[in-house]
Amino acid sequence: EIVLTQSPDFQSVTPKEKVTITCRASQSIGSSLHWYQQKPDQSPKLLIKYASQSFSGVPSRFSGSGSGTDFTLTINSLEAEDAATYYCHQSSSFLLTFGGGTKVEIK
Amino acid sequence: QVQLQESGPGLVKPSETLSLTCAVSGYSISSGYYWGWIRQPPGKGLEWIGSIYHSGSTYYNPSLKSRVTISVDTSKNQFSLKLSSVTAADTAVYYCARQVLWFGELSYMDVWGKGTTVTVSS
Repeated sequence: EIVLTQSPDFQSVTPKEKVTITCRASQSIGSSLHWYQQKPDQSPKLLIKYASQSFSGVPSRFSGSGSGTDFTLTINSLEAEDAATYYCHQSSSFLLTFGGGTKVEIK
Repeated sequence: QVQLQESGPGLVKPSETLSLTCAVSGYSISSGYYWGWIRQPPGKGLEWIGSIYHSGSTYYNPSLKSRVTISVDTSKNQFSLKLSSVTAADTAVYYCARQVLWFGELSYMDVWGKGTTVTVSS
């Protein structure tokens, strides 16, 4: 099983700040890494596919980078509506796994 | 616009079988994509349960495989989840989702249902 470790677990950020969330895989997964945003009491929404490809309709302040074992989700100029938990997800193996999540709170 | 809607009992007794259905609208299941189930225990992260193609081809999480059956009904444009011998640990929000197949690889989920809460309790 490929384990995804996200850091930090929690981040409290003021609006307009830059947020960086990392996801580390227990073995190389190429670029088969995707990012989701989940707001309270809502289902997850796809933000980034294949490490760096923005999904349709996602604001340009969200971007992804990385390959192999280390990946990053960046939110430039955080907005109040970005308060959510963010999850990474790998599809390199047929046993799909998710990271533990990073909760982003707005100060 | 593609929409997915989960339905099923919100309360299941321990040792019984949990059964959920995901109705798909705005897209024909037979046109492609895999269709998956994911769950989220209260206050915890996401766990992939399994996925199915319209042909009936399935992939399951090995940790649940002995208890899980996912089936598809193309005539009703829906797919279903059965999880047997449930315990309190199976209490979760259950989501269905459309899943992209990319060069033979089960990939990201691009459309999700709103989720349905299932509690296992006597």
